[in-house]
Amino acid sequence: EPEVTQTPSHQVTQMGQEVILRCVPISNHLYFYWYRQILGQKVEFLVSFYNNEISEKSEIFDDQFSVERPDGSNFTLKIRSTKLEDSAMYFCASSEGGGVRGEQFFGPGTRLTVL
Amino acid sequence: QKEVEQNSGPLSVPEGAIASLNCTYSDRGSQSFFWYRQYSGKSPELIMFIYSNGDKEDGRFTAQLNKASQYVSLLIRDSQPSDSATYLCAAGTGTASKLTFGTGTRLQVTL
Repeated sequence: EPEVTQTPSHQVTQMGQEVILRCVPISNHLYFYWYRQILGQKVEFLVSFYNNEISEKSEIFDDQFSVERPDGSNFTLKIRSTKLEDSAMYFCASSEGGGVRGEQFFGPGTRLTVL
Repeated sequence: QKEVEQNSGPLSVPEGAIASLNCTYSDRGSQSFFWYRQYSGKSPELIMFIYSNGDKEDGRFTAQLNKASQYVSLLIRDSQPSDSATYLCAAGTGTASKLTFGTGTRLQVTL
């Protein structure tokens, strides 16, 4: 069964460093998303991406964040200058369609630890 | 602030019983509703989605949606110990279906 994959599974970085989290969405899916979950808290939407551009972003997704689809398979989240409060699980998700038929399937996540 | 509310639990049910999980949402513009299961330390796993008023059944799971009451529920029949997890309710809005999640309800199925 097709699934979303993410690398790395765990990333440790120093405050102020740049990190890139990578995702390979399900191959026939057209919509891509990033969410994060701080330990013990709810899953929070960061950004959605369709047709090579951002569809929607949350207040969390400030200028320190960017997304890119560098090729036909990868979808990346970059954090330019990490802060302690960026420590969280980051989940990539993808869906075949949008709107009422946009079932989103999540990847296994990348645990980001900022020291 | 658009919210999705869930009772955090834990909800404890004996094996073989029906577990009933509830969720309310504040944004009347929400169009689609999802139930995810999340085991500790793992990612959300999609169980069901619903976007029309009424019931939708899939195996042991039934999702119910009442848009007038802004209420979504998930029934799990014949609960198994492997169903013990946190169940996340999410509401989708917009074309790209940004999901707003609740805090989740922890379900414990006891032997």
